[in-house]
Amino acid sequence: AQSVTQLDSQVPVFEEAPVELRCNYSSSVSVYLFWYVQYPNQGLQLLLKYLSGSTLVKSINGFEAEFNKSQTSFHLRKPSVHISDTAEYFCAVRGDQTGANNLFFGTGTRLTVIP
Amino acid sequence: KAGVTQTPRYLIKTRGQQVTLSCSPISGHRSVSWYQQTPGQGLQFLFEYFSETQRNKGNFPGRFSGRQFSNSRSEMNVSTLELGDSALYLCASSSWVGTTYGYTFGSGTRLTVV
Repeated sequence: AQSVTQLDSQVPVFEEAPVELRCNYSSSVSVYLFWYVQYPNQGLQLLLKYLSGSTLVKSINGFEAEFNKSQTSFHLRKPSVHISDTAEYFCAVRGDQTGANNLFFGTGTRLTVIP
Repeated sequence: KAGVTQTPRYLIKTRGQQVTLSCSPISGHRSVSWYQQTPGQGLQFLFEYFSETQRNKGNFPGRFSGRQFSNSRSEMNVSTLELGDSALYLCASSSWVGTTYGYTFGSGTRLTVV
């Protein structure tokens, strides 16, 4: 069965500093991986996704993630964070059962950017 | 292109009552899935509908049910509400065609059971 592990439940970081949010997954077949961001009292917004091809994927707001098959990881990085990046971040993997179209989520990482 | 619309945004119900939540997917998306989000259990998959058929189901009791209509709109129903059903319920529509591949979530329905 699939599972996603987000190793850090909370990550405080100073404004303009770099950040890495870690995500490891388990899956027996090829994977589709996602990072979502959630602001208070809102739904999930897609940040970026890996489906195939280049292992480095980037978002329009400066985040990037690298798919590492050998380490079964999909860590999220940003070289310089802003106050507005304060939110909860979820890593997810699509189910690999035939016909399954659901996501398995990690427990989330709360990123707090300190002025 | 309109996003995923969930109604209502907030709901307060009493134990023992039942509730129906609605989700309108992105136009053209035929798959709708539901998730429950709680502080203790995180995000958990409830079920997925595709072309009016339940295609996949998570590990929830039978009190949780859903359906999908011919226009792809979906509803989920929770009967005999319990305090532990208080959660944010998220709906996602998905498409597997072209650049719109992936899942788009609605803003959710916050259900409070008292």
